[in-house]
Amino acid sequence: GNSVTQMEGPVTLSEEAFLTINCTYTATGYPSLFWYVQYPGEGLQLLLKATKADDKGSNKGFEATYRKETTSFHLEKGSVQVSDSAVYFCALRVGGGGADGLTFGKGTHLIIQP
Amino acid sequence: DGGITQSPKYLFRKEGQNVTLSCEQNLNHDAMYWYRQDPGQGLRLIYYSQIVNDFQKGDIAEGYSVSREKKESFPLTVTSAQKNPTAFYLCASTRGTEQYFGPGTRLTVT
Repeated sequence: GNSVTQMEGPVTLSEEAFLTINCTYTATGYPSLFWYVQYPGEGLQLLLKATKADDKGSNKGFEATYRKETTSFHLEKGSVQVSDSAVYFCALRVGGGGADGLTFGKGTHLIIQP
Repeated sequence: DGGITQSPKYLFRKEGQNVTLSCEQNLNHDAMYWYRQDPGQGLRLIYYSQIVNDFQKGDIAEGYSVSREKKESFPLTVTSAQKNPTAFYLCASTRGTEQYFGPGTRLTVT
């Protein structure tokens, strides 16, 4: 089956530090990969995505590269801010029809201290 | 503004009662989904619907039911058969490969 593994949290960093949140996956087919962000008490917002190998998704200073050879999609940001504090979910979907739901990792709680 | 609305934001029920969570979208998306979120568990798929009058079970459908009578609406009923219903419930819809989420309903059953 499909699964997503991401690093356990919470991850605590100081403002302006470099961020990496690891994500690896297993999939029965050729997946599209996503990072979602969830602020306290809210739904999920799509942060970035990549649909094929070597694609780089980027948004709001975050980026992640689809690495088929290592089945990974690590999230990075060069300089984090307090406002980046949230829970980050890595997810995948196999197939382009949109029929099935996403498979999510368990989420990584990121805490940025001033 | 286009989007997904879920109501209410907080819901409290007594054990043994059925409860229905609302999800409405004005994005003209065909596919809609319900997920359950528990602390440290990520999101798990309950039900999904690709078109009106059709829906499919997800990974944890037991104790839940849905209907899809209109494209815009996909209500979820948490029945008394659901053994551990207290959770955060998220509704989503899909355009292409991207899913868009509502703000969620936090259900507490005591």
